[in-house]
Amino acid sequence: QKEVEQNSGPLSVPEGAIASLNCTYSDRGSQSFFWYRQYSGKSPELIMFIYSNGDKEDGRFTAQLNKASQYVSLLIRDSQPSDSATYLCAVNRDGQNFVFGPGTRLSVLP
Amino acid sequence: GAVVSQHPSWVICKSGTSVKIECRSLDFQATTMFWYRQFPKQSLMLMATSNEGSKATYEQGVEKDKFLINHASLTLSTLTVTSAHPEDSSFYICSARALAGVADTQYFGPGTRLTVL
Repeated sequence: QKEVEQNSGPLSVPEGAIASLNCTYSDRGSQSFFWYRQYSGKSPELIMFIYSNGDKEDGRFTAQLNKASQYVSLLIRDSQPSDSATYLCAVNRDGQNFVFGPGTRLSVLP
Repeated sequence: GAVVSQHPSWVICKSGTSVKIECRSLDFQATTMFWYRQFPKQSLMLMATSNEGSKATYEQGVEKDKFLINHASLTLSTLTVTSAHPEDSSFYICSARALAGVADTQYFGPGTRLTVL
């Protein structure tokens, strides 16, 4: 079992819809969870992080964490074509070791 | 947010030459920096973890004698690709570890695109 798993996609959603990106992880000792966005040909940029169970909202983005289920998700409301990118989930176990998932490619159709 | 720079942003070199890539944390001190490589349409691949003042820790399958990493200060890490070959052509990205609020996180540089002829 891979440490951090994501559906590679592509996930296609119409403009204005909610995009839901999912990530599961295997290490129950994981402490912090991150979502990065990577446009084609560019490096990843941090969108948000979460470390407590529940929801965390930042603008159109909401991260959801369920440690019991070892599941973290990212919701993007009112999706725009400019949101089309690869979204990387990352897990930090102990402050030193970050593990990235393979990424989910999101395509927002105008 | 924390800013990380890389230089150069792109480089073309002849096979057999060495290329040095610099990674700097501009507005914070980074005790740990990471080097990644990414081939087209593939995932990020961690190459090594670099801690200031000590030897880098390389991931399995990464040749430490080919990819020399130096982390001489809290704001600078360098990656030297020695005797580069066409198969080393890739997008090299560094990141630096920093606190974002209470969460320990990574901030990425813009990447360096290496093409070996």
